[in-house]
Amino acid sequence: GAGVSQSPRYKVAKRGQDVALRCDPISGHVSLFWYQQALGQGPEFLTYFQNEAQLDKSGLPSDRFFAERPEGSVSTLKIQRTQKEDSAVYLCASTIGGSSYNEQFFGPGTRLTVL
Amino acid sequence: GENVEQHPSTLSVQEGDSAVIKCTYSDSASNYFPWYKQELGKGPQLIIDIRSNVGEKKDQRIAVTLNKTAKHFSLHITETQPEDSAVYFCAHNTGNQFYFGTGTSLTVIP
Repeated sequence: GAGVSQSPRYKVAKRGQDVALRCDPISGHVSLFWYQQALGQGPEFLTYFQNEAQLDKSGLPSDRFFAERPEGSVSTLKIQRTQKEDSAVYLCASTIGGSSYNEQFFGPGTRLTVL
Repeated sequence: GENVEQHPSTLSVQEGDSAVIKCTYSDSASNYFPWYKQELGKGPQLIIDIRSNVGEKKDQRIAVTLNKTAKHFSLHITETQPEDSAVYFCAHNTGNQFYFGTGTSLTVIP
C-alpha cells in the first residue's frame, strides 16, 4: 500500500483482556514510532524502533505495554490486562530514515475502548 | 514529557481571513518543529516544518516562524478555506522523541 496501515481500526476489550495492535509501515521505512492519543489531546510518544531495534521505550506507561518489530518491518503493540485508562487511539508512524528531521507518516490509528 | 503549550484551543475564522496558532516549548535542545493537520478519523499529516537554524519558512498559504530565544513558534494560515478546517498540532523533538501540543480546532466559516 501507499501509506501506513493499522489494524484493527477499532477494538473493544473487556477490562483485564490482552490486546494486540498491528502497524504496517511504508515499505522500506527504517524508523517506526508508536503514540497514544487520548480524546481531545495531542499524541504522546510511547516507543521508537530503528529497524528491529527498540531504541527508546521510555514513553510506555507501564510494564503492561510491550512493543516489538522482529523483522524490522511490521510492528505490534501489545497491552496486557487492559484497564479503562488505556482507552485511546494508538497511532503508528514511520520515517524513511533515522534522522529526527525525517517526515513522520502516520497511520489512521486504532481506537481502543476498554469497558 | 516535555511541556508544549498550544493556543488557542479553538479558533473560528471567516473564509479568506488569516489564522494564527502559537506554541511554546521548554527544551532548549530541540532543533526541529513540525506542524500537523489532523482530520476526523485520520492520523496527523505533516503540513510544514522548520529547523532551528531558520527563523521563518513559507509554503504557499502556510508559514511558520520560530523564535528560539523565546522558545516559541507559530503557524500562520492566510486566505483560509473551508477545507482548512481540522485540528492542528505543533510538535518539537528531543532527539528522536517528539512532543505534541494539545491541538487547535480550526473552523473556517464559508
